[in-house]
Amino acid sequence: DIQMTQSPSSLSASVGDRVTITCQASQDISIYLSWYQQKPGKAPKLLIYDASNLETGVPSRFSGSGSGTDFTFTISSLQPEDIAAYYCQQYDTLPFTFGPGTKVDIK
Amino acid sequence: QVHLVQSGAEVKKPGSSVKVSCKASGGTFSTYTIAWVRQAPGQGLEWMGRIIPILGIENYAQKFQGRVTITADKSTSTAYMELSSLRSEDTAVYYCARESPPRPALDSWGQGTLVTVSS
Repeated sequence: DIQMTQSPSSLSASVGDRVTITCQASQDISIYLSWYQQKPGKAPKLLIYDASNLETGVPSRFSGSGSGTDFTFTISSLQPEDIAAYYCQQYDTLPFTFGPGTKVDIK
Repeated sequence: QVHLVQSGAEVKKPGSSVKVSCKASGGTFSTYTIAWVRQAPGQGLEWMGRIIPILGIENYAQKFQGRVTITADKSTSTAYMELSSLRSEDTAVYYCARESPPRPALDSWGQGTLVTVSS
């Protein structure tokens, strides 16, 4: 199975800050990576697919980049409603494994 | 827009089985893929498997092979996930989700079903 790692595991930032999360795959997955946001008690929500494509309706402060094994997810200006856990998932090779997640909260 | 509604919470004994349903509305059920993802309390997301109804294909994570069966009833637009030989470690919220064609990113999710395994 492809192993996905994320860093950091948690972070605290101020409203308006730029937040960056990294995701690394154990082997080349091209651009086949998505990012999800999960708020407490809720189902995950798709934010980014194919590494850098914004899902319809998702605010433009969210963005993704990368290919191969190294990927980045960015919130350009953190908002209070962005408090959540964020997960990457590879869908290059079955099983479609998730990263362990990054918890984001407000400082 | 696809809407997925799952069955209610379950409490099961160790060694028993559970079957969770996921009813879809919107779109054409038989043409999209339904995946199942679980989340243990306080833990991350774990991909379990998926079904492609139009092709009659199922894929499972090796970890669950032999214990999980995913099926789909096209006549009722409902997918099912059955997990057998339950143990306490299977206590989790189980989600169904649709793969967003033409890629397997999961763009629509059910509300989740809590399965508690306890003696």
